[in-house]
Amino acid sequence: DTEVTQTPKHLVMGMTNKKSLKCEQHMGHRAMYWYKQKAKKPPELMFVYSYEKLSINESVPSRFSPECPNSSLLNLHLHALQPEDSALYLCASSQGVLETQYFGPGTRLLVL
Amino acid sequence: KNEVEQSPQNLTAQEGEFITINCSYSVGISALHWLQQHPGGGIVSLFMLSSGKKKHGRLIATINIQEKHSSLHITASHPRDSAVYICAVNTSGSRLTFGEGTQLTVNP
Repeated sequence: DTEVTQTPKHLVMGMTNKKSLKCEQHMGHRAMYWYKQKAKKPPELMFVYSYEKLSINESVPSRFSPECPNSSLLNLHLHALQPEDSALYLCASSQGVLETQYFGPGTRLLVL
Repeated sequence: KNEVEQSPQNLTAQEGEFITINCSYSVGISALHWLQQHPGGGIVSLFMLSSGKKKHGRLIATINIQEKHSSLHITASHPRDSAVYICAVNTSGSRLTFGEGTQLTVNP
């Protein structure tokens, strides 16, 4: 299984809502990543987990809260988002931090 | 100036043509990646290179560490190759620094 899955595929939420994005991989990878991608721009790194511990937070606002409950799962909890947070949110995983990253299909988020 | 520069930004080709996309970087790297992104979002990792050349099917990637330059070649291009191709480099640890991408359109 060389797949990274993400749910939901699409999400529409209001600025007062709380929602979560989910990412799962069963490749035994020990590094997992959250990226944000705006239209026609490259992905921007948000968070990196290595061995289930947060190793990088790229100064992301606290309205985004990552969680790694186990080595296969990565969540991104969303609260009080702004319309400018609307984007494609991509999850990726890799065997180690310098290895090839495998990307999920992304969750397209719209904040109204 | 971006640490990773790609050229061209946009490329239109006829089916069957040989295609080259270039990537130059200005920082020390441990590895360079070529990624493909189709409309709708999913990203596929095509190659990870730290030296030399790799080939997979009709795709070839080369890197020249001394010149800080990499190329992605597509032989016998096909409309299904139409996508955004992104060059990314590992600069420090797990961080990837991305180029702006090259939008490739292959017409039948």
